[in-house]
Amino acid sequence: AQKITQTQPGMFVQEKEAVTLDCTYDTSDPSYGLFWYKQPSSGEMIFLIYQGSYDQQNATEGRYSLNFQKARKSANLVISASQLGDSAMYFCAMREGLGGTSYGKLTFGQGTILTVHP
Amino acid sequence: DADVTQTPRNRITKTGKRIMLECSQTKGHDRMYWYRQDPGLGLRLIYYSFDVKDINKGEISDGYSVSRQAQAKFSLSLESAIPNQTALYFCATSAPDSDTEAFFGQGTRLTVV
Repeated sequence: AQKITQTQPGMFVQEKEAVTLDCTYDTSDPSYGLFWYKQPSSGEMIFLIYQGSYDQQNATEGRYSLNFQKARKSANLVISASQLGDSAMYFCAMREGLGGTSYGKLTFGQGTILTVHP
Repeated sequence: DADVTQTPRNRITKTGKRIMLECSQTKGHDRMYWYRQDPGLGLRLIYYSFDVKDINKGEISDGYSVSRQAQAKFSLSLESAIPNQTALYFCATSAPDSDTEAFFGQGTRLTVV
């Protein structure tokens, strides 16, 4: 079974509008972390935001926020006030376990291509 | 200079050839990883290393081998390249803290013809 599922292969948004990229996850480990990365056309992986399973509040980083719904096992990325430079591939990823037991391995979703229109 | 450096950035090789992708990092992290990215599949883990004496297979290790020459260096080898190993390869490092992000190299685009 897929541990991380991104059901939107592609999304379109108008510049200055908000957009939500969906991510659902599957784990039986009570301790885990959820990450979002951005991959522009140049190929590099850029870290955006992190949410820990024990965090009570949704994570925010500038225009990025993570809508964490633990019971539904979802960790959607919300980008507010979209900019043309936000056009990229976005990956959701999960790290299970804490500390040494996890080895820090990440499991990635399939990705969502976001296109921002002017 | 980048914290995680991969060489080469692009490589075209022939089927059956041996090829090595190299990764070096200045983050001082013990943990290093090799992932491959294929369209529609995201990134998948090939191998990972906790320290120079610790090498572990990931989800898709068949056809690959690795060497951890030092804390800062982690190489991925394709002993006999095949066309379905054509992909974008990433090296990454992370700190022991679970809530810190992984740092990725720029990626190596490998084409096997």
